[in-house]
Amino acid sequence: SQQGEEDPQALSIQEGENATMNCSYKTSINNLQWYRQNSGRGLVHLILIRSNEREKHSGRLRVTLDTSKKSSSLLITASRAADTASYFCATIKAAGNKLTFGGGTRVLVKP
Amino acid sequence: DTEVTQTPKHLVMGMTNKKSLKCEQHMGHRAMYWYKQKAKKPPELMFVYSYEKLSINESVPSRFSPECPNSSLLNLHLHALQPEDSALYLCASSQVDMGWTYNEQFFGPGTRLTVL
Repeated sequence: SQQGEEDPQALSIQEGENATMNCSYKTSINNLQWYRQNSGRGLVHLILIRSNEREKHSGRLRVTLDTSKKSSSLLITASRAADTASYFCATIKAAGNKLTFGGGTRVLVKP
Repeated sequence: DTEVTQTPKHLVMGMTNKKSLKCEQHMGHRAMYWYKQKAKKPPELMFVYSYEKLSINESVPSRFSPECPNSSLLNLHLHALQPEDSALYLCASSQVDMGWTYNEQFFGPGTRLTVL
């Protein structure tokens, strides 16, 4: 079963624009992670934010976490065609080692 | 070496065959995972090994049999699979911190399995 739901399911933008996707989850978490997956390939870890953190940056990526609303957002700034991929949020519960994925957002960046 | 390798890349098997998927990492990670992913769906956890011991089995049918021979290797033995088992099978590994905190997972490229 999915812990998280992502919104939107698909996103199409022009190169240079920003892309924002949201993730909601249901139970208390230890941390929330974002992954990218290019078509039919393995997942690449992007960023991990712990439950006591509110915002994190990594290059062109910005992640926020609101534990009171049980939600997170991923912002990709100045998108590039190479950012075309599926993006998944995933959570680890407060006491556990199971990573549970959201449904994913498919992002298309048009040149 | 920050890579998780998986072999084979592609596998086609009949319902009566026995085959194995292999996963290897040399990052010193003590947790290893098998996931199944259908097209346009998120990965679904199948098994977790922590310190070479099976710690999670997500009610996976017995036709899938995991094995962790040592801290670097993870196998998935397949027998009498069904066509609906066709999917991308992903292996991952992660560090385990003190206090049993599991951090980011490193994924292999996957094995694309087709069951005829």
